[in-house]
Amino acid sequence: AQSVTQLDSHVSVSEGTPVLLRCNYSSSYSPSLFWYVQHPNKGLQLLLKYTSAATLVKGINGFEAEFKKSETSFHLTKPSAHMSDAAEYFCVVIRGGFQKLVFGTGTRLLVSP
Amino acid sequence: EPEVTQTPSHQVTQMGQEVILRCVPISNHLYFYWYRQILGQKVEFLVSFYNNEISEKSEIFDDQFSVERPDGSNFTLKIRSTKLEDSAMYFCASSEGSGDTFTDTQYFGPGTRLTVL
Repeated sequence: AQSVTQLDSHVSVSEGTPVLLRCNYSSSYSPSLFWYVQHPNKGLQLLLKYTSAATLVKGINGFEAEFKKSETSFHLTKPSAHMSDAAEYFCVVIRGGFQKLVFGTGTRLLVSP
Repeated sequence: EPEVTQTPSHQVTQMGQEVILRCVPISNHLYFYWYRQILGQKVEFLVSFYNNEISEKSEIFDDQFSVERPDGSNFTLKIRSTKLEDSAMYFCASSEGSGDTFTDTQYFGPGTRLTVL
């Protein structure tokens, strides 16, 4: 079965400093991996997705993630945090041939001035 | 930019009552989904719907739940005889249905918060 583990429930950074949100996956098959973001009172918005093409994936708002098969990781990074990045971030996996997205528990990103 | 919409944003109901949560998927999308998130827990898949029938469902999606596309634009989730543990945020999503689930992106609505008293 597919699953993802988000290693931090909360991450706090200062504006202008790098962001690292960690995600490890477990999958018996080649997975497709996503990061979604949820701002307060908003829907889940897709940040980026990995679908077995390039291992370094660039997303919206300056975020990127690197698929590392040897480490079973798909960490989300951003070089410089902005106040508007404060939100809940979800690492998500899907198995090919199925429609069910499997979510991690989420990481709340707090950005201080 | 097209988006998935959901109504109402918040629904309060008494235990045992029936509720219908409504969603308007993105207009050219073919796959529709419901997920839920109980407070403090993970977002969980409930059901996917394609070509007017359920294509996949989780063990959570029992006889208490049903889905319907009553017209060309709405997609509904009905919960019969609500229980306290049905209190959650319910998210609707839709995708183009490219045929490749690896590349088919699910777009989510803002959610309906259901409170069962």
